[in-house]
Amino acid sequence: AQKITQTQPGMFVQEKEAVTLDCTYDTSDPSYGLFWYKQPSSGEMIFLIYQGSYDQQNATEGRYSLNFQKARKSANLVISASQLGDSAMYFCAMREDNTGNQFYFGTGTSLTVIP
Amino acid sequence: NAGVTQTPKFQVLKTGQSMTLQCAQDMNHNSMYWYRQDPGMGLRLIYYSASEGTTDKGEVPNGYNVSRLNKREFSLRLESAAPSQTSVYFCASRRDRRQPQHFGDGTRLSIL
Repeated sequence: AQKITQTQPGMFVQEKEAVTLDCTYDTSDPSYGLFWYKQPSSGEMIFLIYQGSYDQQNATEGRYSLNFQKARKSANLVISASQLGDSAMYFCAMREDNTGNQFYFGTGTSLTVIP
Repeated sequence: NAGVTQTPKFQVLKTGQSMTLQCAQDMNHNSMYWYRQDPGMGLRLIYYSASEGTTDKGEVPNGYNVSRLNKREFSLRLESAAPSQTSVYFCASRRDRRQPQHFGDGTRLSIL
């Protein structure tokens, strides 16, 4: 079974609008962390936001917020006020604490911001 | 502000050749990782090292070996390259559990 599932291969959003990128995860470990990364066309991986499984509040970092629904095992990324520079691949990832240091990545969502 | 440095950035090999991808980090991180990225597959973990002196297999270790030379350096070796190993390889490091991984810029490897 896939540990991380990103069901949207491609998404389009109008500039200045908000967009939600979906991520669901599968784990039986009660302690885990969820991460979102951005990969622009230049290829580097840029960390965006982190949510721990025991964190009470949803994480926010500037225009990025993580809609964490633990019971549904979802960790959707919300980008507000989209900018042209947000066009990139976005990857959701999970770290399970009982497996030590392994990370699992989803297959990614390609976001295109339309002017 | 080097962060994670990977060498080389590009490499073309012939089937059966061997080579070592180098990775070094200057952030005093404990954990280091090697991933491969293929189209439509996301990033898949090849090997990781939780601390100096330890290494463990990830999701796709076959055909690769690693060495954690010291705290800074973690190398990935292809002993006998195969066309299926054509990919972009990323090295990453992480300080502790709650911290994100910091990635190098990647090595684009083609095997003919």
